[in-house]
Amino acid sequence: DVKVTQSSRYLVKRTGEKVFLECVQDMDHENMFWYRQDPGLGLRLIYFSYDVKMKEKGDIPEGYSVSREKKERFSLILESASTNQTSMYLCASRVDSVNYGYTFGSGTRLTVV
Amino acid sequence: QKEVEQNSGPLSVPEGAIASLNCTYSDRGSQSFFWYRQYSGKSPELIMFIYSNGDKEDGRFTAQLNKASQYVSLLIRDSQPSDSATYLCAVNRGAAGNKLTFGGGTRVLVKP
Repeated sequence: DVKVTQSSRYLVKRTGEKVFLECVQDMDHENMFWYRQDPGLGLRLIYFSYDVKMKEKGDIPEGYSVSREKKERFSLILESASTNQTSMYLCASRVDSVNYGYTFGSGTRLTVV
Repeated sequence: QKEVEQNSGPLSVPEGAIASLNCTYSDRGSQSFFWYRQYSGKSPELIMFIYSNGDKEDGRFTAQLNKASQYVSLLIRDSQPSDSATYLCAVNRGAAGNKLTFGGGTRVLVKP
């Protein structure tokens, strides 16, 4: 089974801190994604990457950046955490084919205080 | 118009009955379609995918796709309390990265 591992299940950070969320997949997938999920707003794409060192903005990239130095690892960075970034963050990976879905990590629930 | 639309529910279904979930999408060029199940506090898990018109069955689940009418549906037969979850419809438009666009989800409650 493909495994997508997110480094933390729960995080509490202070406003203004720089926050790193790590995601690692073990199946050599080309594509990796970061979403946030909020009640009533559903899943919203922050950034995605289709190759090492390649990144594309999603629907809500403001306040976030990403890094993909190795194929298996995709990091989400909150440059200066704010309370409106309190959310569930989900990482996903996928084979580069239209007929395959995502495999999601278990999620990181981030609270910014 | 949202790209992928689902009724938010809750859809209340008696145990043993059929739950019917619908999803419509706006992009005629969409190529493949996925159903995810998400339990409260957990991440989504893939339960079905379909890319050809018609029906696809897997155990108690049947996905139905009608590209002409731009809808995809999920039937859950013999619904069990363990099927109580939010079901997300996702569409692949074939763009770079093959990213999926998700609907808002339908919450299903199966009552014993």
